[in-house]
Amino acid sequence: DSGVTQTPKHLITATGQRVTLRCSPRSGDLSVYWYQQSLDQGLQFLIQYYNGEERAKGNILERFSAQQFPDLHSELNLSSLELGDSALYFCASSVVPADGELFFGEGSRLTVL
Amino acid sequence: GENVEQHPSTLSVQEGDSAVIKCTYSDSASNYFPWYKQELGKGPQLIIDIRSNVGEKKDQRIAVTLNKTAKHFSLHITETQPEDSAVYFCAAPPTGYALNFGKGTSLLVTP
Repeated sequence: DSGVTQTPKHLITATGQRVTLRCSPRSGDLSVYWYQQSLDQGLQFLIQYYNGEERAKGNILERFSAQQFPDLHSELNLSSLELGDSALYFCASSVVPADGELFFGEGSRLTVL
Repeated sequence: GENVEQHPSTLSVQEGDSAVIKCTYSDSASNYFPWYKQELGKGPQLIIDIRSNVGEKKDQRIAVTLNKTAKHFSLHITETQPEDSAVYFCAAPPTGYALNFGKGTSLLVTP
């Protein structure tokens, strides 16, 4: 158990809909990262937060947004969903940004029909 | 951002043989190179990492080597066991930011 909790584990929805994925980092970790994993693209970095502030952006679509709350949990919002958004979405946390171990949750599997 | 290329994408070895996975990166300023293992239905987990002031690091059956001049680093697994079967990812950070992962290597160890 990494200590990172993600909900929901599975989510099935329709095109055009909006969903919210939630992540609780390990106790004491200030950095939260979101990654998207699809079969052909591996692990794609989406966005990183550090202590409530956006720190880095990767290949995150404009239809996606995220935030980190004062209690350090984070949410990833995916809107106007398309079939191609079907993927595993991982949250990870770390004590320090970038230069240390990332602890991954077990992921949220999103299926868009 | 950092471009990390990983090879091979799939690797099948017999139990007891060695497995080698290679990655190349583009940003010469990168200084931290971890390897993650992802088992089925789980999130990736760090198995070993190396920093740019070190050329090689070992942890039991696992080793990582780094060649900064050529901008590549490799994962070596010796005496492979069936429980080593998983997807392995290398990663390198763009300067100061989050890790960029390779596309993964699916390793299958057959008894």
